[in-house]
Amino acid sequence: NAGVTQTPKFRVLKTGQSMTLLCAQDMNHEYMYWYRQDPGMGLRLIHYSVGEGTTAKGEVPDGYNVSRLKKQNFLLGLESAAPSQTSVYFCASRQTSGGAGQFFGPGTRLTVL
Amino acid sequence: AQSVTQPDIHITVSEGASLELRCNYSYGATPYLFWYVQSPGQGLQLLLKYFSGDTLVQGIKGFEAEFKRSQSSFNLRKPSVHWSDAAEYFCALGSGTYKYIFGTGTRLKVLA
Repeated sequence: NAGVTQTPKFRVLKTGQSMTLLCAQDMNHEYMYWYRQDPGMGLRLIHYSVGEGTTAKGEVPDGYNVSRLKKQNFLLGLESAAPSQTSVYFCASRQTSGGAGQFFGPGTRLTVL
Repeated sequence: AQSVTQPDIHITVSEGASLELRCNYSYGATPYLFWYVQSPGQGLQLLLKYFSGDTLVQGIKGFEAEFKRSQSSFNLRKPSVHWSDAAEYFCALGSGTYKYIFGTGTRLKVLA
């Protein structure tokens, strides 16, 4: 049981390049989330999904797109990377019950030059 | 407005000493509250959670937290800190919808 996995672990991009971050979970969770973590700002929600085929915007969605074509996968895309998107990105998933905590992946450290 | 405040950015304690990390929240109803721990270079791990019932909740690694509605607080405690507890700790609020609000974190340093 791998839990939540993220690919890649590290990436360096040049401004304007695009990339996709992959999140996979093997716990059959309905809900999945993408956060970014920046020093002194905690975790901020980018996008989330409450089920296969559905996505919604979080607190800081600009410059990102997501897709949830399969229940176990949640993809985060950057179409034209900017230095302001340099961050650590975390994926999380959880069960549908209201009091369920989230399970987090190990993170992707992205640097945009 | 819903919010979570962790007033202490950094805390340093000696190994074996007791620990209390503060968390205050703002929410109009009974919240779901969580504490997570993040070791360097790792993702967040759930320590404990509260959503009803006994206001003193026990978690993993010897941690506990007490929900105090009158003070809008959910402070994390441990009676005796170990060097391996050095990490960053996040308090989070679940608002009953799909979203969570995280505090900005408290970084714990443990002196040998």
